[in-house]
Amino acid sequence: KAGVTQTPRYLIKTRGQQVTLSCSPISGHRSVSWYQQTPGQGLQFLFEYFSETQRNKGNFPGRFSGRQFSNSRSEMNVSTLELGDSALYLCASSRGWQAGSGYEQYFGPGTRLTVT
Amino acid sequence: GDSVTQMEGPVTLSEEAFLTINCTYTATGYPSLFWYVQYPGEGLQLLLKATKADDKGSNKGFEATYRKETTSFHLEKGSVQVSDSAVYFCAYMDTGRRALTFGSGTRLQVQP
Repeated sequence: KAGVTQTPRYLIKTRGQQVTLSCSPISGHRSVSWYQQTPGQGLQFLFEYFSETQRNKGNFPGRFSGRQFSNSRSEMNVSTLELGDSALYLCASSRGWQAGSGYEQYFGPGTRLTVT
Repeated sequence: GDSVTQMEGPVTLSEEAFLTINCTYTATGYPSLFWYVQYPGEGLQLLLKATKADDKGSNKGFEATYRKETTSFHLEKGSVQVSDSAVYFCAYMDTGRRALTFGSGTRLQVQP
């Protein structure tokens, strides 16, 4: 079974631009979560989507947004990029939140975003 | 607030040495606990998990036991290999927030 895929793997953008990152979950997984990883702040939760609805959101400004499609694929968008948005953005998928599912999240390789 | 605390790294060991990476958590309820591993330039790989008190998760020679009384989930391996060199993250799943809370990570360096 194919793992979580993320595109692109690397991205260089300029301050003020916007960017869209894509994530395809493991087949059959309906929940997609996004995390930001930086040397200073570590791994932080951005948001989670399930059945095309955002179910929860971390403590990030409104410039960070996302969506999920009917095939469970997800995109996240960052508008008006700042230097501090440079990070590894990780997508994770899981089957869902039913009791007994184990709640494991499986991560993709990430998209390395550099803002100059 | 809820948090995960891991021992500071880097941890440097010789091949075949015994490994322990300490992890303690502060959380309400009965969270599921996880260890993830990150190799250079890659995403996170799920290493093992435990979903209730006294559960022992194990995989690839690594083990961790969910100790509710000490709110700990220490990672152990009896004999490390050079290929185990990576960053290890302890995490718990807050099912209310539907999000993982991670520790800061511990870098392990294994020398031949």
